[in-house]
Amino acid sequence: NAGVTQTPKFRVLKTGQSMTLLCAQDMNHEYMYWYRQDPGMGLRLIHYSVGEGTTAKGEVPDGYNVSRLKKQNFLLGLESAAPSQTSVYFCASSEEKDSYSNQPQHFGDGTRLSIL
Amino acid sequence: RKEVEQDPGPFNVPEGATVAFNCTYSNSASQSFFWYRQDCRKEPKLLMSVYSSGNEDGRFTAQLNRASQYISLLIRDSKLSDSATYLCVVYHSGGGADGLTFGKGTHLIIQP
Repeated sequence: NAGVTQTPKFRVLKTGQSMTLLCAQDMNHEYMYWYRQDPGMGLRLIHYSVGEGTTAKGEVPDGYNVSRLKKQNFLLGLESAAPSQTSVYFCASSEEKDSYSNQPQHFGDGTRLSIL
Repeated sequence: RKEVEQDPGPFNVPEGATVAFNCTYSNSASQSFFWYRQDCRKEPKLLMSVYSSGNEDGRFTAQLNRASQYISLLIRDSKLSDSATYLCVVYHSGGGADGLTFGKGTHLIIQP
């Protein structure tokens, strides 16, 4: 049971290049999330998904796109990378919440992305 | 924006001591509360959920004060391995799947 797996672990891009970050989970979770973490800013939600075929914008969605074609995978795309997107990106998943609580999230070990 | 505030620290504490830190939240409709631990250059991991009556897990005790809108984490008999950043996480009702708000974390350093 691998949990949440992110690929790649590290990447350096030039401004204007595109790339896709892959997140895979084997826990049959309904919800998946992409966050970025910057020094002094904490975790900020980029996009999320509440099920296969669905996506929604989070707090900082600009410059990113996502897709959830399969339940176990959640892809984060950068169409035209900018230096402001240099960050550590975390994927997370959780079970479907009930009415009164939210299930804790399980995180991947992160992707360190540098845009030059 | 629903805010979760934490003292960033660092808290420098000698090994074996007891340390406590708080987190305040602004949304009175918040319903679920968690403490996550994040080691340097690692992913956040759930430490414990926080229940209304308070709860304990070994050396760790979490408390919730709804009236004052804060939660606390107490670590007894601190170990060197407790050195990490502790993230306060709050879920507010009606927030949907994106209803979680993460604090920026409190950095704890346990010194030998």
